[in-house]
Amino acid sequence: EIVLTQSPGTLSLSPGERATLSCRASQSVSSSYLAWYQQKPGQAPRLLIYGASSRATGIPDRFSGSGSGTDFTLTISRLEPEDFAVYYCQQGANTFGQGTKLEIK
Amino acid sequence: QVQLVQSGSELKKPGASVKVSCKASGYTFTSYAMNWVRQAPGQGLEWMGWINTNTGNPTYAQGFTGRFVFSLDTSVSTAYLQISSLKAEDTAVYYCARESYWNDAQNAFDIWGQGTMVTVSS
Repeated sequence: EIVLTQSPGTLSLSPGERATLSCRASQSVSSSYLAWYQQKPGQAPRLLIYGASSRATGIPDRFSGSGSGTDFTLTISRLEPEDFAVYYCQQGANTFGQGTKLEIK
Repeated sequence: QVQLVQSGSELKKPGASVKVSCKASGYTFTSYAMNWVRQAPGQGLEWMGWINTNTGNPTYAQGFTGRFVFSLDTSVSTAYLQISSLKAEDTAVYYCARESYWNDAQNAFDIWGQGTMVTVSS
């Protein structure tokens, strides 16, 4: 079973700054199957990125994904107030990482 | 528009059963697999498994065998999650999520239900 480890657990940044979130897999995964989700309190998760680097419909271009093998990254180029949330990576449409909370500094 | 609408919150006693529904609209129900995801209070997302909406064949993740059953009623484009012999640790929000494919290879959950809170308490 592949385990996804996200880091950091919590990231404190200010609006306008750049956020870099990491997702590391316990073994190599196909980038085709790596996705990122955003979840705000009291809401369902929302798909941001699929195939490691493709933005889902309606997702702003300040969100980008990259990586391959065991190391993947979600980057938010310039944080907007609405971006502060919890972010999860997922592989193979099953296993999720434990999440990274992005909070306002 | 494409959406998944789940049934409302449930309060159950330990040992009881619960059935959560997930009604799809705006797309061909049998063209997409349906997944179930659990989120305990204050915790992360946990994949429970999926059901093939063409064949009705379910696949359960580790830890979700025995008391958990996925089913369908394709005549009303609805997926169901039934949990029997409820325990306090089943208290969670349960989400259904549509699995989409792009380029015949990339997949992810692109449409989510709003979630159903199941509380198990005596």
